[in-house]
This record gives sequence, structure tokens and C-alpha cells, in this order.
Amino acid sequence: KAGVTQTPRYLIKTRGQQVTLSCSPISGHRSVSWYQQTPGQGLQFLFEYFSETQRNKGNFPGRFSGRQFSNSRSEMNVSTLELGDSALYLCASSGHLAGTGELFFGEGSRLTVL
Amino acid sequence: EDQVTQSPEALRLQEGESSSLNCSYTVSGLRGLFWYRQDPGKGPEFLFTLYSAGEEKEKERLKATLTKKESFLHITAPKPEDSATYLCAVQADTGFQKLVFGTGTRLLVSP
Repeated sequence: KAGVTQTPRYLIKTRGQQVTLSCSPISGHRSVSWYQQTPGQGLQFLFEYFSETQRNKGNFPGRFSGRQFSNSRSEMNVSTLELGDSALYLCASSGHLAGTGELFFGEGSRLTVL
Repeated sequence: EDQVTQSPEALRLQEGESSSLNCSYTVSGLRGLFWYRQDPGKGPEFLFTLYSAGEEKEKERLKATLTKKESFLHITAPKPEDSATYLCAVQADTGFQKLVFGTGTRLLVSP
């Protein structure tokens, strides 16, 4: 069974640009969550989607957005990049409807903003 | 606000030297407490879910326990391959899949 796939794995952008990250969940999983991981803050919740609907959102500015498609694949977008957006962006999927926390993570997309 | 604090930040053990990692938490209503393992350059890997005080789970050399305010991850006779960052997270009973993570304990096991 294939795991969670994230693309691209690495990318470098400059301040002011925007970026789109992609996530393909485990087959059959309908919940997709996104987390930002930085050395100082650890993993912080961005948002969660289930059946194309955003169910929950973390405390991030509106520059961070996401969406989910009918095949459960998800994308997140960060506009007007800032230096502080440099981080590992992790996507996780779950097959549980109400959520039990058994999240299966991808290997992440490492974003560097120059 | 839900919060998770892990200690120590880093731990160095000799192979075979048992120890425990601590996770203290505050949450409005606990749906579950989770332990993950993260290797460098990888995403977190799920280890355990604990739901109520007094619960224990075991997997190979790892044993997780839960009280009303903290959780412990006991590592018995660790091996070098147990070296990783161990993350603790809580899920509130209002938060669907939203997990609040601690910053982790970096474990290094020397042969």
C-alpha cells in the first residue's frame, strides 16, 4: 500500500513569491491535514480537509490556504512568501472519520525562502 | 490553550541503558495522546495512541503510559536504531484531526 506522497520534496523561493505544495493521501483516506515544522516551534497545525471541506484551521495568516479535490488529493498554497515561512511542510492522511489521531505522514516538502 | 511540553530536549544513552521520556500536557478535554517517532529527513511515524489515564501500550522496547497530566515513553535496553526524535501530541475532544505537538526529545543511543 503506497504511503502519503508529497511533491515537491525541496524548493527554493524568494520573498514575495508564492508556492503550491501537493499531497496525495493513502488510497481510501479522506482526511488530509497539513502541518508546518520548524526547529523553534515544532509541528504546528495548519488545516484539515475532509471530503473537500475544510473542517479545522490553525492560527496562521490568510496567506496560507489549501484545498482538497474529489479524489482526496490536497494542495496548500502560501502567497507573498516571507523568510519565516522557511520550514518543512508535512501532509498527513487518516482513514478515520471522526479522527483518532493515527495520522500517516508524508516525508514533507522543505521550503527555503531567500 | 492546549499545550504539550516534552523533556528532556535531548538524551544520550548507551546501548542497553533504559530511560524514560516525559510529556506533560494541558488540554480542555483529552480525546487522545499520541507518540510519534521522527527520523532525520522523514515524516513522523505513528507509535501509540493512549485514551485514558492508567492506559499502557507496548511495542518492542517501547512502553507508553498515561496519567491525567503526563505521559511517559519508557525505553528498555535501547539499541542504536532507536535513535530518533520522539514526539508527543494531544488531540482535544473538539478538534477532529487537529493535533498539538510538543517540540520533541532527541534520543541518541550509542553502541
